[in-house]
Amino acid sequence: DTAVSQTPKYLVTQMGNDKSIKCEQNLGHDTMYWYKQDSKKFLKIMFSYNNKELIINETVPNRFSPKSPDKAHLNLHINSLELGDSAVYFCASSQWGGHEQYFGPGTRLTVT
Amino acid sequence: AQTVTQSQPEMSVQEAETVTLSCTYDTSESDYYLFWYKQPPSRQMILVIRQEAYKQQNATENRFSVNFQKAAKSFSLKISDSQLGDAAMYFCAYSPSPGSSNTGKLIFGQGTTLQVKP
Repeated sequence: DTAVSQTPKYLVTQMGNDKSIKCEQNLGHDTMYWYKQDSKKFLKIMFSYNNKELIINETVPNRFSPKSPDKAHLNLHINSLELGDSAVYFCASSQWGGHEQYFGPGTRLTVT
Repeated sequence: AQTVTQSQPEMSVQEAETVTLSCTYDTSESDYYLFWYKQPPSRQMILVIRQEAYKQQNATENRFSVNFQKAAKSFSLKISDSQLGDAAMYFCAYSPSPGSSNTGKLIFGQGTTLQVKP
């Protein structure tokens, strides 16, 4: 009955590799987001999608590419991973309009 | 640009006592949402409480309540009868109104780590 799920929860990989994180929500929301939480616990939005359309694209390296196959899914693909990409990545969802967002459990990405 | 500031990196409270976490924000908008999220060591982000800017009444959720001062751009969280399970990092967050080009963009403060002493 998980509302927002992410896979994997942990990801350890080497520099230069390509990896993906998947997110699914069963709340019936039409908007999904990716956030990055750095080592100092600071949270910042990366992307948001509304009805599969990209709405927010913050200043994120183009090595990061989100994809939304449908309203319930939002995946994040990262190319050529760098040490600085190590962080916790959260997926979230909400109804469109600034309403409260519900977060997934997070994916801790470690790049070695 | 909107900003959110939490000036207390760490707070502690005795079990069963009351504690207040501070948050200030900066915006030129008149309509927006404010939230408090809790992040325990499990790292799950849990919504604690929300406040719509157009509502004058302060939001409450069981032991959690807010003091929303719109003119002062202040949004503090009061936790009453603190419990050991309240120990976590608390984030204040701002969300622009539905009419904004940044609708849905949650802007977070730096977080306040709350310790609850038995």
